[in-house]
Amino acid sequence: QQQVKQSPQSLIVQKGGIPIINCAYENTAFDYFPWYQQFPGKGPALLIAIRPDVSEKKEGRFTISFNKSAKQFSLHIMDSQPGDSATYFCAASYGQNFVFGPGTRLSVLP
Amino acid sequence: EAGVVQSPRYKIIEKKQPVAFWCNPISGHNTLYWYLQNLGQGPELLIRYENEEAVDDSQLPKDRFSAERLKGVDSTLKIQPAELGDSAVYLCASSLGTVNSPLHFGNGTRLTVT
Repeated sequence: QQQVKQSPQSLIVQKGGIPIINCAYENTAFDYFPWYQQFPGKGPALLIAIRPDVSEKKEGRFTISFNKSAKQFSLHIMDSQPGDSATYFCAASYGQNFVFGPGTRLSVLP
Repeated sequence: EAGVVQSPRYKIIEKKQPVAFWCNPISGHNTLYWYLQNLGQGPELLIRYENEEAVDDSQLPKDRFSAERLKGVDSTLKIQPAELGDSAVYLCASSLGTVNSPLHFGNGTRLTVT
């Protein structure tokens, strides 16, 4: 129940494309869903986050879609750029307990 | 604000040797985490502190791992003795500890055990 599933494991898109990364959870106690971006040799950095009382949140080119009944959420990157090439982790938390997905390695080709 | 600071950045040791990692969280963050990140995987919690108290150490292999957070600020994670399977990145993170406060990660220590 503590697991967060994430797919795909890797993703390659052309510049300008819209990569979509999907996550699913089981524990309905989770009440905060952040996404983290990690570049090689760096720690994960918060990208965008959503609470379950909202179905969508947009910040710049990044959008989270949240489906509470399906216990699924996804990250969309609009107009993707080569600089977006990184590993993306979804996470779910309740209280101060954070559980991370296994990550998606995104490559944006120029 | 200064971010989470970890040292060293890299460490190479032989198996059975001890090793220690240090973390200084963001000022004012009373919750501190140590995570293990294996290659190609997401961070996995080892231990979480609220101030000086370890409130979740259920995933810490206590036969060889230990941690401390004296005075509720910086923290040290120790492995003794190290095994080959301990090769990984050890990440420290901190947060304000309030509802829905995000984690802020350091850049980690990459440990290689030979």
